Order: sequence, then C-alpha cells, then structure tokens
Amino acid sequence: AQTVTQSQPEMSVQEAETVTLSCTYDTSESNYYLFWYKQPPSRQMILVIRQEAYKQQNATENRFSVNFQKAAKSFSLKISDSQLGDTAMYFCAFMDPGGSQGNLIFGKGTKLSVKP
Amino acid sequence: ETGVTQSPTHLIKTRGQQVTLRCSSQSGHNTVSWYQQALGQGPQFIFQYYREEENGRGNFPPRFSGLQFPNYSSELNVNALELDDSALYLCASRPERSSYNEQFFGPGTRLTVL
Repeated sequence: AQTVTQSQPEMSVQEAETVTLSCTYDTSESNYYLFWYKQPPSRQMILVIRQEAYKQQNATENRFSVNFQKAAKSFSLKISDSQLGDTAMYFCAFMDPGGSQGNLIFGKGTKLSVKP
Repeated sequence: ETGVTQSPTHLIKTRGQQVTLRCSSQSGHNTVSWYQQALGQGPQFIFQYYREEENGRGNFPPRFSGLQFPNYSSELNVNALELDDSALYLCASRPERSSYNEQFFGPGTRLTVL
C-alpha cells in the first residue's frame, strides 16, 4: 500500500523568506502523480502544484517549486518570497491513476505560519 | 473558487443518528470522491463514484454509503453515527478527461457527533 509521510508537523518562516516543506512517499508503482495542496482556515483544499512521476523536470508555479527525487521517493515544496497569505496547512498527496481509481493518499500535513 | 459546493457547512448529531451530506460539482465533472478529515489529520478516502456507480472504496464500513445523480450532485450518508465520525467531510470532483487527474475540492462539512 502506498503511504505518504510529512515529518514536519509545524514550521514558521518570516515574510519574504524561503521555506521548504518535506514529503516522502512509498510506492512500487512507476507511473503516478504527486500533489501539494494548501488548506487555509477557510478549509477549502486548493491545489498548489503537481508533478507527474515520468517527468524529470521539477514543476514550478510562480513562487512555488518542487524538488522531486524519484529514486529517493522524495517530493519537497519550496515557497519563495513567503507571504502572509501562505499561512495554512500544506498536504502532500499521492495518486496512482491506474490502481486505486485515482483517489488521493494524503500525508498528515505541515502547518505553516508566515510571520510579519 | 473550485466550483464545488457542499451543504450544510456545519452539522451536530447525536450517536446512533443518521446524516446526509451533500455536494454539488461542476458541470461535466462525472467523478466525485468523498474524504474524511479528522482533526489534525490528512483527508482519508471514503469512496468514489463515476457515472452514478461506486467504483472505489477506502477502509470504511458499509454504514458509509453514497449516491451520485445525473445533475452532478452527490450525497454521503452515514448511518448509526459514532463519536469517531466527528470530522470534516470533503467532496472532490474531476472531469472525465483530466490530463493531470486534478481533483477540485469543496469547502467541506464539519460534522460533530455528541
């Protein structure tokens, strides 16, 4: 069974600084997707960034980028120029499109606080 | 905004009761998944519906059941509520042809079982 581990329950960063959130996963599949979702206090889960396992190039979305290490099964999220609105829970998620009807497997989350 | 809505926002029930939670997806999103998110945890997959049929289920007992309707709305029903059913319930939908398998989440229903 696939598992997702986020080893940092809480992190804080100063506004405008850079922070990296860690995620590791376990799977025997070669084709899969990885996601980072943001859940602010409003509870709406918002997709931050996604990565297809077959792509070697790391995904980037504006201030958000990932470091995808397939062999190490690591998928970290880097947030540059942190903003107060980045304060939220961040969840790493795995999807095996072929096996489990495409459901997401989530880690336990990292609570990120951006301080002014 | 993801275009996915859920009702009600909050709900309080007592142990042993039954509850129905509702989700309305975007037009064309014929796959809907339900997740349970306990306090301080990541969401856990309950089940998925595709074209009104259940086609995947997580480790949840049969008292968790669902329905999906042709108008892109869906329901999660929970019978014989237990205290541990207290959680945030999220629905997520996606279109049939989604190149990235992105799921669009609703804001959730907070269920409290007393």
